[in-house]
Amino acid sequence: IVLMQSPGTLSLSPGERATLSCRASQSVNSTYLAWYQQKPGQAPRLLKYGASSRATGIPDRFSGSGSGTDFTLTISRLEPEDFAVYYCHQYGSSPWTFGQGTKVEIK
Amino acid sequence: EVQLVQSGAEVKKPGESLKISCKGSGYSFTTYWINWVRQMPGKGLEWMGIIYPGDSDTRYSPSFQGQVTISADKSSNTAYLRWSTLKASDTAMYYCARGVRPYYYDPGGYWGQGTLVTVSS
Repeated sequence: IVLMQSPGTLSLSPGERATLSCRASQSVNSTYLAWYQQKPGQAPRLLKYGASSRATGIPDRFSGSGSGTDFTLTISRLEPEDFAVYYCHQYGSSPWTFGQGTKVEIK
Repeated sequence: EVQLVQSGAEVKKPGESLKISCKGSGYSFTTYWINWVRQMPGKGLEWMGIIYPGDSDTRYSPSFQGQVTISADKSSNTAYLRWSTLKASDTAMYYCARGVRPYYYDPGGYWGQGTLVTVSS
């Protein structure tokens, strides 16, 4: 399953809302869709997994939605520490795959 | 505290072999799947495969099947990623990541710090 993320880069200011899209080439059970955040020089950090589970320590400004082939990660109000690259990841069909990433940068 | 500690950076020549490690602590090593993920320089994440240390059940992405070997040693709580013949295109950061929940075929919830592998003549 190929995951296409858009936009490639999102330029926003702190306090703004970020909406990141992940589109799959085939239907993905929402139970098996995850989102990661990666900052330069760091390992990825799990944000969300399963249909609605937020990973440990992840603030509630991060929310995920979607079904079938269209999924969205929303950051309600961007904090300075949220500027990073975000990846969607499906683990319902082998081989598991990642999207190519969306970079959220400071405008 | 859950920790995954990976072995240090490696510089190798094409054609050489290599085995990198990922040592888990702070949890029951045998009950969580461990993923391996590649990140080539400046690029995105690629899922390579996964192993269940409890019985060494291993699954590979077709892109990596036959190119690498994933293994685990329960006695030392360590997972491994091995190449028999390195290529320049294997130059990348490699991460191990423990599944979120015990027993479940899960994505990585806890990640190692990464091992940088550089292959150059």
